[in-house]
Amino acid sequence: AQSVTQLGSHVSVSEGALVLLRCNYSSSVPPYLFWYVQYPNQGLQLLLKYTSAATLVKGINGFEAEFKKSETSFHLTKPSAHMSDAAEYFCAVSTAGTASKLTFGTGTRLQVML
Amino acid sequence: DTAVSQTPKYLVTQMGNDKSIKCEQNLGHDTMYWYKQDSKKFLKIMFSYNNKELIINETVPNRFSPKSPDKAHLNLHINSLELGDSAVYFCASSQGGPGSGGSKFFGPGTRLTVL
Repeated sequence: AQSVTQLGSHVSVSEGALVLLRCNYSSSVPPYLFWYVQYPNQGLQLLLKYTSAATLVKGINGFEAEFKKSETSFHLTKPSAHMSDAAEYFCAVSTAGTASKLTFGTGTRLQVML
Repeated sequence: DTAVSQTPKYLVTQMGNDKSIKCEQNLGHDTMYWYKQDSKKFLKIMFSYNNKELIINETVPNRFSPKSPDKAHLNLHINSLELGDSAVYFCASSQGGPGSGGSKFFGPGTRLTVL
C-alpha cells in the first residue's frame, strides 16, 4: 500500500520569503512522486515529478523538490514566494505496475501575504 | 487547444436523476482516469482505463458507470444521484498506464451539485 502525508493544511508566508511545503510518503516499493498545484476553481497542474532519476527535481514556476529516501520525504520549496503562488498544493505517490494508481495527500493551502 | 476537456463544467440536478459527464483528451495518451474531489479537497481515484480497458475500479457504488468508446474519450454516467455525490469530478490522462510514472494531465473539473 502507498500513502502520502502532507504536514500542515495551511501555510502562510510573506511575499519574497521561502516556501516550504512538507510531504512524507509511504511505499513498499520505489515510488514515483509528484507535486500538483490547484488554483481556485481550476484543475490540477503538474509542478514536478520524481521518477528515480536525479533526487533534486526542478519544476515550473521556480519550484523544486528533493527526494530523500532515508527520510521518506519529498518536500516542495521555492526560494522566494510570489502572490501568484497562492493555491492548493497536492503531493502524490504512485508505483510501477499496470494497476498502480496515483494516491494524493490531503493538500496544503499556501497563502502569500504582502 | 485544450489538452483534457470536460463537459459540462457545472451540473446542478435533483436527487434521483441520471446524469453524464464527458471527457476528451487530444494528447494521444492511452490511459484515462476519473477522480473525485470532495468538499475538503480530498482527491480519490475512481476509475482508470488503459486502451479502452478498465484496469482500476475503486470501491465506487455501481450507480457510477464509466464508458470509454475510444482511447481519447472517457465518460462517466451516474444513476440515481444522491446528495453525497456532490463533488468536483476530474478527468485525467497519461501515457503508459497508471504505474509508468507518466505525468497525468487533468481536465478543468465538473462541479456536480445534487439538490
